[in-house]
Amino acid sequence: DTGVSQDPRHKITKRGQNVTFRCDPISEHNRLYWYRQTLGQGPEFLTYFQNEAQLEKSRLLSDRFSAERPKGSFSTLEIQRTEQGDSAMYLCASSRRGDRGTYEQYFGPGTRLTVT
Amino acid sequence: DQQVKQNSPSLSVQEGRISILNCDYTNSMFDYFLWYKKYPAEGPTFLISISSIKDKNEDGRFTVFLNKSAKHLSLHIVPSQPGDSAVYFCAARSKNTGNQFYFGTGTSLTVIP
Repeated sequence: DTGVSQDPRHKITKRGQNVTFRCDPISEHNRLYWYRQTLGQGPEFLTYFQNEAQLEKSRLLSDRFSAERPKGSFSTLEIQRTEQGDSAMYLCASSRRGDRGTYEQYFGPGTRLTVT
Repeated sequence: DQQVKQNSPSLSVQEGRISILNCDYTNSMFDYFLWYKKYPAEGPTFLISISSIKDKNEDGRFTVFLNKSAKHLSLHIVPSQPGDSAVYFCAARSKNTGNQFYFGTGTSLTVIP
């Protein structure tokens, strides 16, 4: 168990550019989540995958955001035409359903995006 | 529309004493609650959880209490240790939105040696 990893850890980009982040979940976890966290706030749900299927998306998620999880392994989150308001920490988490229906998620260290 | 609220941004406690972190929620459809701990430059780490069919869950020094009628949960840490100093988030899952989890804004706990 090497934990959830995210790449890159930091990204600085200019407004209008596209960025892509990668998340590698814990290998036996079939559930993968993306969150966004801004200063002074808790993580905000963006989207959820079960295996390769994207089953849920936040209604707050702009059309500029897209996520994929090909083959049900790693996932990518792309933001097109970045805006300064996209500056945040992007967190990935993975989980598997526990025997008692538990829902603990294991988080990666996050990718900090700064849009200038 | 903050459905999970942590009204105390910070808390300081002496080492060895009890730390009590509070969380309130508004959505009666929440059926599962979790507490996470976060150190700087790291992602949140799962701490303890409770299903809405229970009112208490205990794991070592950590106990979570759920009061459904008051829509309130709390995390008790006894005894508090300096290594417990971190930001604590409560989170909740709603029955009708499946796998969306709603997080509070966090409480920064400082345990003073």
